[in-house]
Amino acid sequence: KNEVEQSPQNLTAQEGEFITINCSYSVGISALHWLQQHPGGGIVSLFMLSSGKKKHGRLIATINIQEKHSSLHITASHPRDSAVYICAVNYGQNFVFGPGTRLSVLP
Amino acid sequence: GAGVSQSPSNKVTEKGKDVELRCDPISGHTALYWYRQRLGQGLEFLIYFQGNSAPDKSGLPSDRFSAERTGESVSTLTIQRTQQEDSAVYLCASSFRTGYYEQYFGPGTRLTVT
Repeated sequence: KNEVEQSPQNLTAQEGEFITINCSYSVGISALHWLQQHPGGGIVSLFMLSSGKKKHGRLIATINIQEKHSSLHITASHPRDSAVYICAVNYGQNFVFGPGTRLSVLP
Repeated sequence: GAGVSQSPSNKVTEKGKDVELRCDPISGHTALYWYRQRLGQGLEFLIYFQGNSAPDKSGLPSDRFSAERTGESVSTLTIQRTQQEDSAVYLCASSFRTGYYEQYFGPGTRLTVT
């Protein structure tokens, strides 16, 4: 069974700070997803990656397959980035979620 | 175009009753997923469908849970003899195919079992 861990569990930052959220997993995967869950509950897919690095606006996601680790970075954070960020992995026919990281960005 | 839709948005039911939750995926998406999120907890995978293949039911928590999908369109998740621990938000997502494709999530159905 694949165990997915995230750190930190909770994170409070000041507007403008650079933020990093980490995800690690225990078994080889076919793809890793970063999801954003807004306070109202809606979920948006941010990234899906199986190698290297992807960038979208102020968000950057990286993955190291050998180390079974991924990071999500937010540059120039803004209060509207406040949400729960969830790492999820595909392996075989399974889809496993991390516990999420709750981010609060203060103005 | 239209996103993933789910109905009802909220459902309150008495313990022991059966409920049906509906998901309409994005047109053309062959893969459909059901997830559950209990209050204050993380997402749990329940079941997924890929085209006309037999669904992967490995995540269903008990035999009271079942799901069907008609071709590559609507899916229903049925919970029989509901229990209070079934109270959760049930989320549906679809993607072009399973595997290396982005998933698009619906707004969820909040189920409360009294």
